[in-house]
Amino acid sequence: AQKVTQAQTEISVVEKEDVTLDCVYETRDTTYYLFWYKQPPSGELVFLIRRNSFDEQNEISGRYSWNFQKSTSSFNFTITASQVVDSAVYFCALSEAHGSSNTGKLIFGQGTTLQVKP
Amino acid sequence: GAVVSQHPSRVICKSGTSVKIECRSLDFQATTMFWYRQFPKKSLMLMATSNEGSKATYEQGVEKDKFLINHASLTLSTLTVTSAHPEDSSFYICSADRDGTYEQYFGPGTRLTVT
Repeated sequence: AQKVTQAQTEISVVEKEDVTLDCVYETRDTTYYLFWYKQPPSGELVFLIRRNSFDEQNEISGRYSWNFQKSTSSFNFTITASQVVDSAVYFCALSEAHGSSNTGKLIFGQGTTLQVKP
Repeated sequence: GAVVSQHPSRVICKSGTSVKIECRSLDFQATTMFWYRQFPKKSLMLMATSNEGSKATYEQGVEKDKFLINHASLTLSTLTVTSAHPEDSSFYICSADRDGTYEQYFGPGTRLTVT
């Protein structure tokens, strides 16, 4: 069975601190996708990144960076120099690869609430 | 960019009535759409997979007669909560799988309150 675990329920940091959100996943599939979404108080999910299971390269996008470690089944997300606007709930998600029997449905982690204080 | 809309954004209804929520992909086609439910301070729970032109696939524990899904076109899926009760109050979110890209885009959500 597929499962995504975000062990950190809530994190509170002061502005300009770096913060890492952890994500550990379980799957028996050899091909899968991993995602991070941001959910601000408005409720709308904002797509941040999608990573293919065959691509273990880390990625950096501005203040955001992602560390994909297949050996430990982790896909951690780091925000550098956090800002108040980063305050939101962050979800890690896993999907099966599309195929004859797979729809690509997403399995979400429990979410991590990040509060960045000024 | 790919945009998904949901209508209404908020709805309050009386117990026993039915409520229809629309999910539209505005600038792309989506053979597959998904419906999620989110309780306060909780994660998103997949309810069903909506397939254009065929029956929806429901997740275990989700009542198909309670949550009717219709995916009549490549840009529209609807979720009807029948005979709503207060326990159906929740945040309902749809997503659309952009054909050919394996990318899923989420709607802004619909907050349902049943009184």
